[in-house]
Amino acid sequence: SSELTQDPAVSVALGQTVSITCQGALLNKYFGSWYQQKPGQAPVVVFSGRNTRPSGVPDRFSASKSGNTASLIITGAQAEDEAVYYCNARDYGGNHRWVFGGGTRLTVL
Amino acid sequence: QLQLQESGPGLVRPSETLSLTCTVSGDSVNSPTHFWGWVRQSPGKGLEWIASIFYSGGAYYNPSLQSRAAISAGTSTFSLRLTSVTAADAAVYFCVRHDYGSLFDSWGQGILVAVSS
Repeated sequence: SSELTQDPAVSVALGQTVSITCQGALLNKYFGSWYQQKPGQAPVVVFSGRNTRPSGVPDRFSASKSGNTASLIITGAQAEDEAVYYCNARDYGGNHRWVFGGGTRLTVL
Repeated sequence: QLQLQESGPGLVRPSETLSLTCTVSGDSVNSPTHFWGWVRQSPGKGLEWIASIFYSGGAYYNPSLQSRAAISAGTSTFSLRLTSVTAADAAVYFCVRHDYGSLFDSWGQGILVAVSS
């Protein structure tokens, strides 16, 4: 199991808001990043850090953090948002090490 | 536009060494602003960071793979060697560019590696 814990699956009704969470000690002080992966494709970053949304990513994607739990928030989920979402973080404890969460499969109903 | 392309064998025999290369276009592997690394994904599973290298030559490894993995960099390529492979090493291997934090901003399309005799 990963040091970053994600719920295996989450569902959301079309047009509603959903929060996907990622919990772990690596997130105590720093924000991580979030990736969307659709079947047969490489992951794509959708949000990073406190406020970085790459160009081309819809502004319905945002992120927040409280303590050791980071959240990816999709406001007004669309059918094309159905995918697996991964969080990741860097270990700043003296090791150059990066960790991914186990992934959350999002279903848009 | 940055592009990363993995290459290597699609099939490796158990106990042998897996060697993969990532060809980079649109950026320099010697850039002081990014790391270059490898991430793998076993069938139906999540993402696992394997190793990364920095322009200075510093190489960093997932502790669980450190004894078997070696990453190196050339002019416009970087490579991964994984020794003594087993069925557990069968996966899609992605080469990536990432920053000093957690932003893995560019990914190759991935290469599927099977392990079988």
